[in-house]
Amino acid sequence: EPEVTQTPSHQVTQMGQEVILRCVPISNHLYFYWYRQILGQKVEFLVSFYNNEISEKSEIFDDQFSVERPDGSNFTLKIRSTKLEDSAMYFCASSQTGYSGNTIYFGEGSWLTVV
Amino acid sequence: RKEVEQDPGPFNVPEGATVAFNCTYSNSASQSFFWYRQDCRKEPKLLMSVYSSGNEDGRFTAQLNRASQYISLLIRDSKLSDSATYLCVVTRTISNFGNEKLTFGTGTRLTIIP
Repeated sequence: EPEVTQTPSHQVTQMGQEVILRCVPISNHLYFYWYRQILGQKVEFLVSFYNNEISEKSEIFDDQFSVERPDGSNFTLKIRSTKLEDSAMYFCASSQTGYSGNTIYFGEGSWLTVV
Repeated sequence: RKEVEQDPGPFNVPEGATVAFNCTYSNSASQSFFWYRQDCRKEPKLLMSVYSSGNEDGRFTAQLNRASQYISLLIRDSKLSDSATYLCVVTRTISNFGNEKLTFGTGTRLTIIP
């Protein structure tokens, strides 16, 4: 079964450093998402992306965050200057089509620890 | 009020028992409803969609009541492998391009005891 792949699986970074989390969505998918889950808390929506632009973002997704699809296969999440509270599992997700009821596939996640 | 509310549990249930989870959602504009399963430090995985007519997949039965904004999941003849956190998820379309936003509940932790 095709899958969403994410790298790295785990990254430790110092506060204030830039981090890039990478994702390869399923190849024929057109809609891309990032979610995050702080340890012990619920999964939260960060941003959705379609046709090379952000279509929606949450209040969590402030100016420190950005997303990019640099080469038609990768989908990246950049955190410019990490804070301790950015420590979380970040999940990339993709879906083939939009609108309600379409299956969204999640990657295995990238665990970010900010120290 | 939280968008999606679930009893966090934990539910500790003997193998073979039947267990039921409930969930309520606050946004009446929610369009689709799902149960996901999440194992410790893993990604959420789709368990099943939920429809007003009710739907069944093997030992799992899900039900949606739109009027009450209530979703349920029933697991019959529980197995050790059912131990996980069960996430109630509602979605709505958030852009003209069809992007969806999944809103997750905090999850209900289930442990099946041998």
